[in-house]
Amino acid sequence: IAGITQAPTSQILAAGRRMTLRCTQDMRHNAMYWYRQDLGLGLRLIHYSNTAGTTGKGEVPDGYSVSRANTDDFPLTLASAVPSQTSVYFCASSVNPGVTEAFFGQGTRLTVV
Amino acid sequence: SQQGEEDPQALSIQEGENATMNCSYKTSINNLQWYRQNSGRGLVHLILIRSNEREKHSGRLRVTLDTSKKSSSLLITASRAADTASYFCATDQNRVQGAQKLVFGQGTRLTINP
Repeated sequence: IAGITQAPTSQILAAGRRMTLRCTQDMRHNAMYWYRQDLGLGLRLIHYSNTAGTTGKGEVPDGYSVSRANTDDFPLTLASAVPSQTSVYFCASSVNPGVTEAFFGQGTRLTVV
Repeated sequence: SQQGEEDPQALSIQEGENATMNCSYKTSINNLQWYRQNSGRGLVHLILIRSNEREKHSGRLRVTLDTSKKSSSLLITASRAADTASYFCATDQNRVQGAQKLVFGQGTRLTINP
């Protein structure tokens, strides 16, 4: 079934550790996004990519990095996790940046202790 | 700050009643979208309305867009218990450099009481 897949579904991580959240889509969408969702703050854009080979910063990029080596994959890396990065992370993709509907993954629940 | 801001933050109504949620935004847009999120799940696209459209329907959903007021509303008619969810508006930020990104508001938590 075509769609967008995130891994892992949940993770408990020690502060200071490095972690990569994986996101893969098989719909050949150009644009991909990473959001974090926190209670009372809604969804906040971390990083985005309008097409393979390009990335951009969202609202809350500090402490996170992304890469877009190909169309399908858009991993999000926390270089040195901190407790404030405890959140639910959603990856999404759309055919084109912003102008078409976005498809979301099921989310990764990350707890940094 | 968030591009889209939903109002109210929470809404509780009886099954069968209509639910109206509003969204305001700050910059010019090409389109505005509404999404639904059930508890613990990812967001699901409901409807997209373009900047040159004023109203759009999809089943029990009706969306309006007023670009002069930079606002949109989502109406759910004849609500059902299954409509209980959080609803988000999303806008594309059209930048001079051509970079576009989808930005979400904080959402309205809708509860339908049986």
